[in-house]
Amino acid sequence: AQTVTQSQPEMSVQEAETVTLSCTYDTSESDYYLFWYKQPPSRQMILVIRQEAYKQQNATENRFSVNFQKAAKSFSLKISDSQLGDAAMYFCAYRGKAAGNKLTFGGGTRVLVKP
Amino acid sequence: NAGVTQTPKFRVLKTGQSMTLLCAQDMNHEYMYWYRQDPGMGLRLIHYSVGEGTTAKGEVPDGYNVSRLKKQNFLLGLESAAPSQTSVYFCASRDYSGGAHTDTQYFGPGTRLTVL
Repeated sequence: AQTVTQSQPEMSVQEAETVTLSCTYDTSESDYYLFWYKQPPSRQMILVIRQEAYKQQNATENRFSVNFQKAAKSFSLKISDSQLGDAAMYFCAYRGKAAGNKLTFGGGTRVLVKP
Repeated sequence: NAGVTQTPKFRVLKTGQSMTLLCAQDMNHEYMYWYRQDPGMGLRLIHYSVGEGTTAKGEVPDGYNVSRLKKQNFLLGLESAAPSQTSVYFCASRDYSGGAHTDTQYFGPGTRLTVL
């Protein structure tokens, strides 16, 4: 079974600075997808960015980018120019070929943004 | 286009009571999912459906039942609620048409359930 590990329970960043969140996963599959979701206090799960494992190029979405290291099974999220609205829980998730294509989530990292 | 909606948003039950959570999506998605999120943890899959009339068990299915009688609706039932089922429940849906975003799950706003 796949597992997803986020080793940082909480990260703090100054407004306008950069923060990097770590995520590692365990899988024997070669074709899969990885995601970062943001969960603000409203509880809504918001997709931040996704990465297809077969693509070597790291995904980027505006101020959000990933560092995908397939051999190391590492998938970190970098938030640049942090804004107060970035404060939230961030979850890393894995989607393989298991029946139903379910998502397996890590335990989450809380990001605090200091003004 | 409302996306994924969940009813109710909050509910308090007593041990042994039953209830049904409703998830509705208007995106014509084939796949639908029910997850639960416990404090300080990520989401865990309860049940899922790959199409109308089909359901399957996820990681933590015990104590729950589901039905998918209509493509747009996915119901989660608790027949006899227990305090261990106190959690936030999320529904999600995913397309399977081969489009650019078919590998993305879209989530509802969640239902906070407390079992006393």
